[in-house]
Amino acid sequence: AQTVTQSQPEMSVQEAETVTLSCTYDTSESDYYLFWYKQPPSRQMILVIRQEAYKQQNATENRFSVNFQKAAKSFSLKISDSQLGDAAMYFCAYNRRNAGNNRKLIWGLGTSLAVNP
Amino acid sequence: ETGVTQSPTHLIKTRGQQVTLRCSSQSGHNTVSWYQQALGQGPQFIFQYYREEENGRGNFPPRFSGLQFPNYSSELNVNALELDDSALYLCASSPGSLSGGMNTEAFFGQGTRLTVV
Repeated sequence: AQTVTQSQPEMSVQEAETVTLSCTYDTSESDYYLFWYKQPPSRQMILVIRQEAYKQQNATENRFSVNFQKAAKSFSLKISDSQLGDAAMYFCAYNRRNAGNNRKLIWGLGTSLAVNP
Repeated sequence: ETGVTQSPTHLIKTRGQQVTLRCSSQSGHNTVSWYQQALGQGPQFIFQYYREEENGRGNFPPRFSGLQFPNYSSELNVNALELDDSALYLCASSPGSLSGGMNTEAFFGQGTRLTVV
């Protein structure tokens, strides 16, 4: 079965520092998408960054970047120059093909990130 | 703001009752997915609707049912509520079924917090 594992339930970082959140996944598929979503206390899931499995190049969105290691099935998120507003729950998700040729998101358990001033 | 709105934001029901949760999808999106997020967990896929038809279902019993309307808004109905149904229910809309266009990003609403007592 496809699974997504986030091994760090909680992380903390000093403001302006860099932090890396880890994610591993298991799949037998060759083409898929990986996502990092942020869930602040407002509860709304906000897409942070996405990675296409067939692309070698790591995705980057401003202060957010990923280290995608397809063979190792690893997908870590690096947040540079951390800001207080980055404090939230971060979820790693995998876009999996479901029955009927649609796709659903498979989620990890999340990592709670605290940013210290 | 994603343009996906859910109502109500909070709800308290008694065990055995029935509940209907509503979701208005983002303009131009014809696919709606529902997820259940228990406290401290990642979201779990309930089902997906594409152009008014169910397009995939997760491991939830039949008392979880749904509907999608011609304007692509959606309802999630839960019958015979159980205490374990207490959770945050998230609705996500996307443009087109997630079968093709693997790059399809899901836009989430702010969720409905359901408490069953």
